[in-house]
Amino acid sequence: DIVMTQTPLSLSVTPGQPASISCKSSQSLLHSDGKTYLYWYLQKPGQSPQLLIYEVSNRFSGVPDRFSGSGSGTDFTLKISRVEAEDVGVYYCMQSIQLYSFGQGTKLEIK
Amino acid sequence: EVQLVESGGGLVQPGRSLRLSCAASGFTFDDYAMHWVRQAPGKGLEWVSGISWNSGSIGYADSVKGRFTISRDNAKNSLYLQMNSLRAEDMALYYCAKDISHLVGATAFDIWGQGTMVTVSS
Repeated sequence: DIVMTQTPLSLSVTPGQPASISCKSSQSLLHSDGKTYLYWYLQKPGQSPQLLIYEVSNRFSGVPDRFSGSGSGTDFTLKISRVEAEDVGVYYCMQSIQLYSFGQGTKLEIK
Repeated sequence: EVQLVESGGGLVQPGRSLRLSCAASGFTFDDYAMHWVRQAPGKGLEWVSGISWNSGSIGYADSVKGRFTISRDNAKNSLYLQMNSLRAEDMALYYCAKDISHLVGATAFDIWGQGTMVTVSS
């Protein structure tokens, strides 16, 4: 089974400042088809998760461009260029090269 | 409007069974794979099971394999999860989620329901 490890588990950010979340997988997420199956979700308080980023770095429909994803192999990063109040919640990375598994989640709060 | 509405959750004793349902609307249901993802109270997300568009490919998490059965009825735009031999650790909010593809694996979930709560307690 592929284990996804996120750091930090929580972070407090001043509005307008950047934020960064790391996600490491126990195995490479690079498929033989050349794609890397790493995704990012945000679960806002009291809501269902929503897809932010697919295949490492592609923003899903309607996701603001302050969100960006990067990485390769086993190391990935989600960055928010300027945090806004509406970005609070728990961020999860997910792999789907071997069925599906999620990271533990990173809780983002506003200072 | 694309919508997923789960139902069937409730209080059940350990060892008993429960069947969850998910009603889909607003999209062509039989074009997409579907999944169940759960979240224990105060915990993270755990994928439970997924089924391809034509039920030809099915996957389960090791934690539920042999106890849970996923199925779908494309004529009724519905997804199901039969849960047998329930344990305390199965207690969670169960989400129905739509896949971005018709297959299981190497995909993601783009639409989620609001979830149905399963409580396992004597």
